[in-house]
Amino acid sequence: DSGVTQTPKHLITATGQRVTLRCSPRSGDLSVYWYQQSLDQGLQFLIQYYNGEERAKGNILERFSAQQFPDLHSELNLSSLELGDSALYFCASSVQGNSGNTIYFGEGSWLTVV
Amino acid sequence: GQQLNQSPQSMFIQEGEDVSMNCTSSSIFNTWLWYKQDPGEGPVLLIALYKAGELTSNGRLTAQFGITRKDSFLNISASIPSDVGIYFCAGRPNNNAGNMLTFGGGTRLMVKP
Repeated sequence: DSGVTQTPKHLITATGQRVTLRCSPRSGDLSVYWYQQSLDQGLQFLIQYYNGEERAKGNILERFSAQQFPDLHSELNLSSLELGDSALYFCASSVQGNSGNTIYFGEGSWLTVV
Repeated sequence: GQQLNQSPQSMFIQEGEDVSMNCTSSSIFNTWLWYKQDPGEGPVLLIALYKAGELTSNGRLTAQFGITRKDSFLNISASIPSDVGIYFCAGRPNNNAGNMLTFGGGTRLMVKP
């Protein structure tokens, strides 16, 4: 158990809908990361937050957004869902937001868009 | 974005055999990490490497940070059935403003008892 908690574990929704994935980082970790894992793309970095502020942005679509709240939990919002958005979405956390800190992953949220 | 070339993509070996996999990049990385992912689970950190030339072991696992800072390898000795899973290398680019990782495509390991 990495200490990173993600909900829900599984989600099935229809195209065009909107979903919210939630993440609680490890106790004491200030930085949260979101990654997408699909069969043909591997693990792709989406976005990073540190202590409530966006720190780095990767290949995140405009239909997706994220935020980190004062209690440090984070949410990833996916809207206007398409079939191709079906994937495992991982949250990860680290103590700091700077290079050199070990990143620990949650168990993921499996999203299926039908 | 940054790409890591991980090979082999898959391996099917006999229990007891040694395993070797590697990752290469066209650019310099200042950190190399190796993760293992079991089905339905998140990646679990196995070994972290922070200096060029560093050789680190974790039980039957050994990983090295290449001298050129553009590659890393992971060896597993005397494989056992529970070694089955997908192994990912991950690197932190030299000019990384945050702490994001770039992942290789993974090596799927299958072990025959």
